Amino acid sequence: GAGVSQSPSNKVTEKGKDVELRCDPISGHTALYWYRQSLGQGLEFLIYFQGNSAPDKSGLPSDRFSAERTGGSVSTLTIQRTQQEDSAVYLCASSLAGLEGETQYFGPGTRLLVL
Amino acid sequence: AQSVTQPDIHITVSEGASLELRCNYSYGATPYLFWYVQSPGQGLQLLLKYFSGDTLVQGIKGFEAEFKRSQSSFNLRKPSVHWSDAAEYFCAVGDNFGNEKLTFGTGTRLTIIP
Repeated sequence: GAGVSQSPSNKVTEKGKDVELRCDPISGHTALYWYRQSLGQGLEFLIYFQGNSAPDKSGLPSDRFSAERTGGSVSTLTIQRTQQEDSAVYLCASSLAGLEGETQYFGPGTRLLVL
Repeated sequence: AQSVTQPDIHITVSEGASLELRCNYSYGATPYLFWYVQSPGQGLQLLLKYFSGDTLVQGIKGFEAEFKRSQSSFNLRKPSVHWSDAAEYFCAVGDNFGNEKLTFGTGTRLTIIP
């Protein structure tokens, strides 16, 4: 079946602009995660959605970052007033029920470059 | 807070040789441990994971890993590498107190030479 998909695959933007990154999880998966992969910081957790529960936003680096998940499926990560240090690959993952130790399936990522 | 250390940034191995990638973790209880592989331009693919029970875990593509509590390690091994194994490998630990996020190591880049 279809895996996790993300769009766009690449995004180049100017400093100060807002960007939206999209994630389509695997159908039927109730848990969705955003991670960021950058040269200086490695792979970092950003935010986690599980069903209708309040999201775990503990990994968001600043209030310029926000995410929402509509209808328990598609998620959008928004970065406002982008900065050069936001340049990274943003990875989305989903899992069936968000249970402890459950396998997370990753999408191919969105490569963001802020000029 | 949990953490993962992958001490080797880059490893080069000859095709057909054996491989061991090191991973050490810091966690107060029995952790959930994972190895993921990332090929160029690709997302992360799960190789194997450890929850409990048998400390030797078999994964896909001929990989295995052994959990050693006394050494806080979860090293990845393969008896004979193939050129297609060239990729970046990430070890990760999962929280088992209801927080399912993964904490990743910094990764080990594997190069295979003929």
